[in-house]
Amino acid sequence: ETGVTQTPRHLVMGMTNKKSLKCEQHLGHNAMYWYKQSAKKPLELMFVYSLEERVENNSVPSRFSPECPNSSHLFLHLHTLQPEDSALYLCASSQDWASGTINEQFFGPGTRLTVL
Amino acid sequence: GEDVEQSLFLSVREGDSSVINCTYTDSSSTYLYWYKQEPGAGLQLLTYIFSNMDMKQDQRLTVLLNKKDKHLSLRIADTQTGDSAIYFCAERGDYKLSFGAGTTVTVRA
Repeated sequence: ETGVTQTPRHLVMGMTNKKSLKCEQHLGHNAMYWYKQSAKKPLELMFVYSLEERVENNSVPSRFSPECPNSSHLFLHLHTLQPEDSALYLCASSQDWASGTINEQFFGPGTRLTVL
Repeated sequence: GEDVEQSLFLSVREGDSSVINCTYTDSSSTYLYWYKQEPGAGLQLLTYIFSNMDMKQDQRLTVLLNKKDKHLSLRIADTQTGDSAIYFCAERGDYKLSFGAGTTVTVRA
């Protein structure tokens, strides 16, 4: 596997279910991100991990719980979701943030989540 | 705060030039970016410009930056069907990038 992979690619869940999204990067990066992509809305940054520590949490509801066990893996645990949480969830990785660098982010293909 | 705006749709004839516009709010951004998202895929960096530049050209792509108006544009010359995608403008802030909603470019024959 190369680049950034995400599983599953599609997920349908009921509002009472608990599920997890998985992201893995094979690029040797040490920063990882979760984004939410909804139609006609700006790409929404949810969480940022740098060197396995969370550095950003953009007021995301507690029904979304991230986990970063090591620099290559990132999870998003989901429980008691709402229909409006249906969206494409994208994972990305980059080198650690440093001034003077372009900090290119590499994205996975996303998980299409539907909440019934 | 950061707020990046761009138009949602652009339709262009094959062979013509496409121009995608974007406005941003953070005047301290050091880098501005254009990302491309093809169907079923994640975003991929297309090009970027450093804030002390006015223009950057890379083959068919031309990026123009107007810092006074906080306006960024991407011109694609000789647009091809493979250029059909969603194009995201982004600005660099502290520990993160702020993205717009994306412009869906449709290339018609």
